[in-house]
Order: sequence, then C-alpha cells, then structure tokens
Amino acid sequence: DAGITQSPRHKVTETGTPVTLRCHQTENHRYMYWYRQDPGHGLRLIHYSYGVKDTDKGEVSDGYSVSRSKTEDFLLTLESATSSQTSVYFCAISGDRGYNTEAFFGQGTRLTVV
Amino acid sequence: QQQVKQSPQSLIVQKGGISIINCAYENTAFDYFPWYQQFPGKGPALLIAIRPDVSEKKEGRFTISFNKSAKQFSLHIMDSQPGDSATYFCAASNFGNEKLTFGTGTRLTIIP
Repeated sequence: DAGITQSPRHKVTETGTPVTLRCHQTENHRYMYWYRQDPGHGLRLIHYSYGVKDTDKGEVSDGYSVSRSKTEDFLLTLESATSSQTSVYFCAISGDRGYNTEAFFGQGTRLTVV
Repeated sequence: QQQVKQSPQSLIVQKGGISIINCAYENTAFDYFPWYQQFPGKGPALLIAIRPDVSEKKEGRFTISFNKSAKQFSLHIMDSQPGDSATYFCAASNFGNEKLTFGTGTRLTIIP
C-alpha cells in the first residue's frame, strides 16, 4: 500500500469529543491529502498539504483542521466530533503534482460518532 | 453540487461480458480523468487515466473513452472477470493527481 499507514483503523467516539487521525508515510512524498468517503458522495477532499507546515482547505473542510510538522506525518483533527462526521477517512500521498505521478491511498480509518 | 456525475450506481455483468460505467463532468477546466478501483476494506487504487488530448486509452482489458464536446468519459472493461468485482470511481481534476473531484461510485458485480 505504497508505504502509507493510517491510525487508528477504527474508532468510535462520542459527540463533542476531539479526535485526531494520523497518516504516516515512508515514501518521502511531498503531497498529502485527507479525503472522506460517504455513500452517495464518493470521496471528497477535506484538506491537503504541499509540504511541512504548508496546508490548505479542500471541498469539505468545515469542522476539520490539519497539521504537518514532519514530511512523513499528516494529522487530521476533528475539534468537536459530530454525527455528520461519521465516515471513512482516507489519506493519500503523491510525489509530485501533475500528470506523471499517481496519488496512492491508505487503507482508511472508519470513524463512528455516537 | 456534484461536479462529476457517475452512473450507474450498481452494475451486474456476466463473466466474459463488457462492463461500462459512465461519467459526466461540468467544469471545463478539468484536464485529467482517472478511474480508481476499490475493493472492500481497501483504499482506492489508480486503474487508468486519460487526458483530453486523446479520445481513447487502452490498458489491457480496460479502456477509457473520452468525449470532450459532450464532457463525458466512460470506462469499459472487456471480458469481465469475477476478480473485477469492486467499486469503481471516476474522478477529475484540473492539475493531475492534485485535488481530485470524485464521482459517487459504481459497485460492479461479475457473476459466473
């Protein structure tokens, strides 16, 4: 799986609690992405990073924040989890922007907010 | 607003048949159109991709057909096999693998 590890793989949390998901890569890729996957919506981009401490918002960023203090780690934080954030979260990495490299996805984290 | 519309939502095809999944996009700035394959419990994996300077791209049993004027593209799986049973997502972007916009997915089942 292209050297991507997501943790935890499964998590159940209560509404209103903070949650942090971790994406760790061993490929030394510059670009990292967080997507969420929901039935009827496909995958939607939450946040992405162009490098250490360089992040930007995606399509569905409300309620989420990210941090990237090291090349290999990209953290996604739900400051106060809500039931609408129940989803499967995927991290993706790519070595470069553009057409000649591929975006590789991790195995996902299934988050349930009760 | 769904910028990439995918159909059908689910598809059942007999082994050896042709599977066809269609996508339509709205943003004319899109210039990269990949297809991803996802098995249960796994992340999506790139299957094949096309850019709008060609109308067709073939890799093995998988072919993308692209119609720029209609803003549509489709995936054809020839000689479909049970191992092709998976969920397929089309996607689009205006700069390669960056910030992909995905379709809603098609669950493909190949029956013997």
